Formats: sequence, structure tokens, C-alpha cells
Amino acid sequence: AQTVTQSQPEMSVQEAETVTLSCTYDTSESDYYLFWYKQPPSRQMILVIRQEAYKQQNATENRFSVNFQKAAKSFSLKISDSQLGDAAMYFCAYAAGGGSQGNLIFGKGTKLSVKP
Amino acid sequence: NAGVTQTPKFRVLKTGQSMTLLCAQDMNHEYMYWYRQDPGMGLRLIHYSVGEGTTAKGEVPDGYNVSRLKKQNFLLGLESAAPSQTSVYFCASSPRGFRAYEQYFGPGTRLTVT
Repeated sequence: AQTVTQSQPEMSVQEAETVTLSCTYDTSESDYYLFWYKQPPSRQMILVIRQEAYKQQNATENRFSVNFQKAAKSFSLKISDSQLGDAAMYFCAYAAGGGSQGNLIFGKGTKLSVKP
Repeated sequence: NAGVTQTPKFRVLKTGQSMTLLCAQDMNHEYMYWYRQDPGMGLRLIHYSVGEGTTAKGEVPDGYNVSRLKKQNFLLGLESAAPSQTSVYFCASSPRGFRAYEQYFGPGTRLTVT
């Protein structure tokens, strides 16, 4: 079975600095997708960034970028120029490809605090 | 365009009571999902549906039933609530095909069973 592990329950960063959140996963599939979701105190789940396993290029969305290491099964999220609004729970998630129904498997999350 | 909405937002039940959570989406998505989120945990899939009239079990289906009579609605039922079902419930929807992974989430329902 596929699993997703986030080894950092909590992280803290100074405003305007850079922080990296870690995620590792386990799968025997070759076709899959990886995601980072943000959950602010409002509870709304917001998709931050996604990566297709077949793409070697790391995904980037404005201040958010990933370091996808397929052989190591690692998928870290880098937040640059951190802002107070980035404070939230961040969840790493996995979805098998190949025509599956898009079921997501989530890690336990990392709580990010941003200090002014 | 409201996206995904959930009713109610909060609910307190006594053990043994029943209730239904309603999820509605206005994006014409084929796929819909129900997740639960417990403290210190990520979201776990309860049930999902790949189209009107179809449902399937996810990771933690016991104690729940679902129905998808209309494409835009996905109902989650608790027939006899237990304290272990105290959780925050999220509904999500996504288009079919390769974009099935682009899930849009509702705001969540906080359920407490005493």
C-alpha cells in the first residue's frame, strides 16, 4: 500500500525567509502524482502545487517550488520570501495514476508558523 | 459559482443518533469524495463516487453510508453515531480523466458525538 510520511510535525520561519517542508512516500507504481495542500485556520483545503511523476522538471508556482527526487521517493516543498499568510498546516498527498479515480493519500501534515 | 458547499458546518450528536451530511458542487464534476480529518492526522478517504448512481468504499468506510442520486450531490450518512466518529468531514469533487487529481474541497463539517 502507498504511504506518505511527513517527518516534521511543526516548522517555524521568519518572515521573508525561506523554509523547506519534507515529504517522503512509498509506492511501487511508476505513474503517480504528488501534491502539496495548504490548510489555514479556516480549514479550507487549498491546492498549492502538484507534480507529475513522469516529469523530471520540478514544479513551481510563484513563491512555491518543489524538489522532486523520484529515486529517493522524496517530495519537498520550498516556500521563498515567507509571508504571514503562509502560516498553516501543509499536507503532502499522493495519487496513483493510470486511470485511477483520483483518490488522494495524505501525510499527517506539518504546521508552519511564520514569525514577523 | 459556489464551488463545493457542505451542510451543516457544525453539528453535535448524541451516541446512537443518525444524521446526513450534504455535499453539493456546481462545477459539473464527475467524481466526488468524502474524507475525515482527525487531530494529528491527514485526511482519510471514507467513500467516493465516480458518477451519478455509483459509490465505492475508501480507506475508512465502516459506520458510514453514501448516496449519489444526483450528479451534483453526494450524501454521507451516519446511521448510529459513535464517539469515534467525532471528526471534521470534508467533501471534495474533481473532473474525470487525467484531471481527477485536481480535487476541490468544501469548507468542512465539524461533527461532535457525545
